[in-house]
Formats: sequence, C-alpha cells, structure tokens
Amino acid sequence: ETGVTQTPRHLVMGMTNKKSLKCEQHLGHNAMYWYKQSAKKPLELMFVYNFKEQTENNSVPSRFSPECPNSSHLFLHLHTLQPEDSALYLCASSQENRGSTDTQYFGPGTRLTVL
Amino acid sequence: GENVEQHPSTLSVQEGDSAVIKCTYSDSASNYFPWYKQELGKGPQLIIDIRSNVGEKKDQRIAVTLNKTAKHFSLHITETQPEDSAVYFCAASIGYGGATNKLIFGTGTLLAVQP
Repeated sequence: ETGVTQTPRHLVMGMTNKKSLKCEQHLGHNAMYWYKQSAKKPLELMFVYNFKEQTENNSVPSRFSPECPNSSHLFLHLHTLQPEDSALYLCASSQENRGSTDTQYFGPGTRLTVL
Repeated sequence: GENVEQHPSTLSVQEGDSAVIKCTYSDSASNYFPWYKQELGKGPQLIIDIRSNVGEKKDQRIAVTLNKTAKHFSLHITETQPEDSAVYFCAASIGYGGATNKLIFGTGTLLAVQP
C-alpha cells in the first residue's frame, strides 16, 4: 500500500450505533488530520495530530473522538451521531518541520451516512 | 481568522480552451497556496502549489500565479482535456513556525471540459 489509505470506504449507521473510521499513512509523515467534506461547503478541519499529540480541535462535537496511537495511524470514533453528520470524512498527512509548511496528502475518504 | 473565497463555482469550457480559477485570501500572513483536484469518489490530490516568495509557477499545462499585494492567486489550465474535468480547490496556509500547518480551503470549482 502506498500513500494514505482509509477504511471503510462507505459506512451507513444509525444514530445509536458506535463505529470507527481508520486511516493509515505509508509516507513516513509526522502529522495527520481529519477533515469533514459536506456538499457545497469548504473542507472543514476537525482534528490535527503532530507527533501523536493533538494540536488542534476545531470545536468538534464530543460525539467525534479521535485517536492517534502512532504517527502512522489515525482513528475517528463515532457515537450517537446525527443525520447532519453525514458527509465524506477525509484523512490527510504531512511532514511538519518547525518554520515550514508542507504539502498535505489526502486519502480517498469514508462516505458516512447517518440514518 | 483566515477566509478563502473561490470563483467561479462552476466552469464549462470546450476541449482545448483555457480555464482560469481565482481565489482571494484575507490573512496577509498566509505563505503557502496549494491547489487540489478532486475526482468523483476520490480524495483531493495536490496538482500544484506556490509559496509566497514567488509570483508564478508552471508545470506543463498548469500554472499558478500569486499577487501578494492584492491577496489573490489563480490556477490556469491550458489546452484543457476531458480528463481535466473535476472539482478544483484552492487553499491558503496560515502555518507558522513551530506549529502545524493549517489549510483553509475555498468552496471548490466544478470544471467541465466538453469534448
């Protein structure tokens, strides 16, 4: 596998379910991100992890819970979601160095539908 | 905070014609401007980027220009082909020394190249 992979690619869940999204990057990067992509809206940054430490939580509701066990893996745990949480969830990674800004590489996303 | 506006939201061109997509940003401290292409069912893929120390960058049929004074940057695609049809996103980074890169995205442009 190369680049950034995400599983599952599609997920349908009820509002009372608990599920998890998984992201893995094979690029040797030290930063990982979760974005939400809804129709006709800009990509919304949700969480940022740098060297496994969460450095950004963009006012995301607590029903979304991220986990970064190591610099290659990122999870998004979902529970008691709402229908408006239906969207494409994208994972990205980058190599961060102090004082420089580097390219973010995206995975294919997980299409989430909340019934 | 940073705000990125992108125009037009949809663009239809004939094969072989040029396409131009424009973005403006609000934070004069932004110093990194990537462009992403997103095809149906895939995550965004970086196609070109520019940093604030240059005014123009070209890669085959794709070019990006940056006007720091006016705070706008543009994507130019020449000799368009049907496979250029996709959604294009601009972004601006307010990354700063010691902290993780934070991309702010535009709302996207749906480009349709008519054969």
